[in-house]
Amino acid sequence: QVTLKESGPVLGRPTETLTLTCTVSGFSLSNPRMGVGWIRRPPGKALEWLAHIFSNDEKSYSTSLKSRLTISKDTSKSQVVLSMTNMDPVDTGTYYCARLLRGIGYYYFDCWGQGTPVTVSS
Amino acid sequence: VLTQSPGTLSLSPGERATLSCRASHGVSSSFLAWYQQTPGQAPRLVIHGASTRATGIPDRFSGSGSGTDFTLTISRLEPEDFAVYYCQQYATSRFTFGPGTKVEIK
Repeated sequence: QVTLKESGPVLGRPTETLTLTCTVSGFSLSNPRMGVGWIRRPPGKALEWLAHIFSNDEKSYSTSLKSRLTISKDTSKSQVVLSMTNMDPVDTGTYYCARLLRGIGYYYFDCWGQGTPVTVSS
Repeated sequence: VLTQSPGTLSLSPGERATLSCRASHGVSSSFLAWYQQTPGQAPRLVIHGASTRATGIPDRFSGSGSGTDFTLTISRLEPEDFAVYYCQQYATSRFTFGPGTKVEIK
């Protein structure tokens, strides 16, 4: 059974760095057809893709947030970590990690974690 | 950019729902997906490759379209189908979600 679980601080302060961890089970981060992505949903707004990473360390970031994001993985721990610098109240929302499947002619998120709420406030 | 219409769809159980997703530039059908999100829950993959139902998705859900226009159809709404639906595209190593269509009970 594939599961993903997000963890990290519920409350962040403006200008601080947020670090979120996604712990996965049921699949390996060394599988070249599978990666992990981070997606968030601000209150009352739509889903927003942030970043993703694959087994070969191939990474991609949202153009608008690229300067603030860093994604990394620890295959031995089955964890993917997302860091976001210079937090702002507009970064408040629920943050999800999801398994990303890829192959010839397909890329999609097939399994999602339950999400972790983050509030940025002074 | 993806746009979805309508923003809200008010229907009764048993009715047919037709949701539209339009891309500002042509999208490969292979890279177009639909997700369902109910309040307090994580998004769930419904359709990938524009028309392939995800595992466990009932056959009342169907996807179609190509180029810039895609459609998600729910043939007969069940109570558990009332949710927000997002389309998503993948291009140049990046993902984009549409603003969502809320399907609510009339």
